[in-house]
Amino acid sequence: GAVVSQHPSWVICKSGTSVKIECRSLDFQATTMFWYRQFPKQSLMLMATSNEGSKATYEQGVEKDKFLINHASLTLSTLTVTSAHPEDSSFYICSARDGVAGYTDTQYFGPGTRLTVL
Amino acid sequence: AQSVAQPEDQVNVAEGNPLTVKCTYSVSGNPYLFWYVQYPNRGLQFLLKYITGDNLVKGSYGFEAEFNKSQTSFHLKKPSALVSDSALYFCAAVKAAGNKLTFGGGTRVLVKP
Repeated sequence: GAVVSQHPSWVICKSGTSVKIECRSLDFQATTMFWYRQFPKQSLMLMATSNEGSKATYEQGVEKDKFLINHASLTLSTLTVTSAHPEDSSFYICSARDGVAGYTDTQYFGPGTRLTVL
Repeated sequence: AQSVAQPEDQVNVAEGNPLTVKCTYSVSGNPYLFWYVQYPNRGLQFLLKYITGDNLVKGSYGFEAEFNKSQTSFHLKKPSALVSDSALYFCAAVKAAGNKLTFGGGTRVLVKP
């Protein structure tokens, strides 16, 4: 199946710094990528939908100025957590959709990035 | 609004026994349903999906799921569970004409040797 990678797999940073997480589709082109956040023992919460070449669509309650998303190519989307604070500590997971049919296409998920803000 | 429910937080089963993980959905229009599995500190792995056609969908690692429209269910099944099947399982639905996956709360499966 399709492979999605994330980098880094884990990161520890100081409060107030910014952290960039990369999401790559390795063997397919993804016009749409998604960013999720997962708290311990909880389900995934969609943060934003990222479309190549256009602005991301953020879910209600997600601060777009804090979570900057860039989808510059068909294989790369980045999430930057700006001025991170301890409450931003979480497991961030990206996914990429493998086709152009739309909502029936399969989303393939990256391995996740664990962010710890001290 | 669409929603997905997984009524069991955890399912315990002995190795070799059948495994069932329950999922019910509430989706307006035609439902498009997915199952994913998550191992500790990992992303989600795609198991199978139902779009249309045969109600019994076969997926990866010996898993299958049965779509039941009258009961609005999409239960995941495996005839003979393995210890390595112990993981967190998520059912999800996508809204027609939309992009977003709605996830159930997840069911933790523990297969005991």
